[in-house]
Amino acid sequence: GAGVSQSPRYKVAKRGQDVALRCDPISGHVSLFWYQQALGQGPEFLTYFQNEAQLDKSGLPSDRFFAERPEGSVSTLKIQRTQKEDSAVYLCASSLLEGGYTFGSGTRLTVV
Amino acid sequence: KQEVTQIPAALSVPEGENLVLNCSFTDSAIYNLQWFRQDPGKGLTSLLLIQSSQREQTSGRLNASLDKSSGRSTLYIAASQPGDSATYLCAVSPTGTASKLTFGTGTRLQVTL
Repeated sequence: GAGVSQSPRYKVAKRGQDVALRCDPISGHVSLFWYQQALGQGPEFLTYFQNEAQLDKSGLPSDRFFAERPEGSVSTLKIQRTQKEDSAVYLCASSLLEGGYTFGSGTRLTVV
Repeated sequence: KQEVTQIPAALSVPEGENLVLNCSFTDSAIYNLQWFRQDPGKGLTSLLLIQSSQREQTSGRLNASLDKSSGRSTLYIAASQPGDSATYLCAVSPTGTASKLTFGTGTRLQVTL
């Protein structure tokens, strides 16, 4: 596609519910990143894939967060047993190996 | 751990003014620095990328400078317009290949008529 597509755009979850956020990167982009952006803050790194390999997951805040990219294209970020502090915008970005990031519009997650 | 700070947090200027946004980082071992723009409810749009060997980059009314030794970058916007209203974020990258970015908290700019 022409850009990075994320779905859903908005998600309201009850505390304790599991959610799954989807990212469709630009076709051919090897690298894929997930970031979490709290209100009024800059994005913070969560995890990084190169093709289907998850090379860095040091930013995932707890073991309730899980990301996958099984075929090296679409990626899913899953959050289990959501908590109020998980409320944020989740941004996905893709790039070729040498950089040049393209960000999606994000998924705004609100946990009530 | 790399930390990126942006000052001011918010700025309001009348249309036509020139303005400077500041970004500082604690670890000078960076490969490049990027400035992004974020509109409400939208993702990030890359504005300028400065490699660590460069001192500045220009695009239209935007000019970004980089001083690695002092850990600072500035984004200069000339002749500001209401359409420039957005949040501006700087981010540093530690390596040359695609790698995680460390972002500042952003400067929220409003340009008034």
